[in-house]
Amino acid sequence: GAVVSQHPSWVICKSGTSVKIECRSLDFQATTMFWYRQFPKQSLMLMATSNEGSKATYEQGVEKDKFLINHASLTLSTLTVTSAHPEDSSFYICSARTSRSGGETQYFGPGTRLLVL
Amino acid sequence: AQTVTQSQPEMSVQEAETVTLSCTYDTSESDYYLFWYKQPPSRQMILVIRQEAYKQQNATENRFSVNFQKAAKSFSLKISDSQLGDAAMYFCAYRSAYNDMRFGAGTRLTVKP
Repeated sequence: GAVVSQHPSWVICKSGTSVKIECRSLDFQATTMFWYRQFPKQSLMLMATSNEGSKATYEQGVEKDKFLINHASLTLSTLTVTSAHPEDSSFYICSARTSRSGGETQYFGPGTRLLVL
Repeated sequence: AQTVTQSQPEMSVQEAETVTLSCTYDTSESDYYLFWYKQPPSRQMILVIRQEAYKQQNATENRFSVNFQKAAKSFSLKISDSQLGDAAMYFCAYRSAYNDMRFGAGTRLTVKP
């Protein structure tokens, strides 16, 4: 299957700082990438959808000024958590959509665990 | 709005036995995709199987197969010859041409040796 990488896998930061998470599609071009948030023992919650070269579309209740998304190329999307606070601590997962393998499928990165102290 | 329901928070199966995980969905769209993803303790989401709604034939991938009942809006996953490595959270997901992927709440599968 297609490979999606995420960096960093773990990050601990102080409250008030900003954290950037990178998501890369390694062996395919992804016109659309997605960012999810997952709390312990819960399902994935879609935060935003980003298309290469255009502004991200945020889900209702997600602060676009707090969670900045940049989809600069067909293989890279970044999520920046600005002025992070302890309630932003969570598991963040990116996903990239591809049309290979005969149909559209989303492949997921390994996730980033964020802990804000 | 599209919703995905997994009514079994937890399931357990004996190694080498067969288990079926349930999933129902609600939609008014006719063209869509259904997925089962596996999330092991590493939390990496892994695609298990995919079904296009326009295909009547149930998808199969080795020990994994689905029972897709379009009229009933049901999409269950059958795991045959269960292995210890199958233990994980399983998420059912729905996506249409016009909407992003939506996930069910998940089913935690335990495999007993």
